[in-house]
Amino acid sequence: GAVVSQHPSRVICKSGTSVKIECRSLDFQATTMFWYRQFPKQSLMLMATSNEGSKATYEQGVEKDKFLINHASLTLSTLTVTSAHPEDSSFYICSAVNLLFTGELFFGEGSRLTVL
Amino acid sequence: DAKTTQPPSMDCAEGRAANLPCNHSTISGNEYVYWYRQIHSQGPQYIIHGLKNNETNEMASLIITEDRKSSTLILPHATLRDTAVYYCIVRSGGATNKLIFGTGTLLAVQP
Repeated sequence: GAVVSQHPSRVICKSGTSVKIECRSLDFQATTMFWYRQFPKQSLMLMATSNEGSKATYEQGVEKDKFLINHASLTLSTLTVTSAHPEDSSFYICSAVNLLFTGELFFGEGSRLTVL
Repeated sequence: DAKTTQPPSMDCAEGRAANLPCNHSTISGNEYVYWYRQIHSQGPQYIIHGLKNNETNEMASLIITEDRKSSTLILPHATLRDTAVYYCIVRSGGATNKLIFGTGTLLAVQP
């Protein structure tokens, strides 16, 4: 199946710093990518929809200035957690939609952020 | 998107079929049924999806009732590696439509 890769898989940062997470579709072009957040023992929560060449659409309650999303190419979307705080510690997961959409949405391996 | 209801947990003996139920009584005509699973600390893995006909692939079978208000995911010969949280999701057709995850079923395959 199609491959979606995230980097880094784990990151530890100090409170107040910004962290960038990359999501790449390795063998297909993705006009749309989705970003999720998952806290321990909870389900995935959709944060935003990232569209290539346009602004992201954020879900209710998600701060767009806190979680900056850029989708500058058909194979790369980035999520930047700005001025991170311990409560932002979570598992962040992206999903990409193939241009030649056949129904499946593929997910990355996830990025675990720990803010000290 | 329609909501789904799944049992929070199930057990299955290794080598036996695992049958995971899902209720989606408010599903509308253009909504597909998707199944994903998530093994601990990994991203979700696509399993199968369908609209109204039963579907089968190398991983599983999906049985959708005639009224489309419920479905069952069948893993024909469960192994220990199938232990995961299984999510049943209904989603409108169209490439840019969102996947909204519910709470899922934790399937524990026992040796």
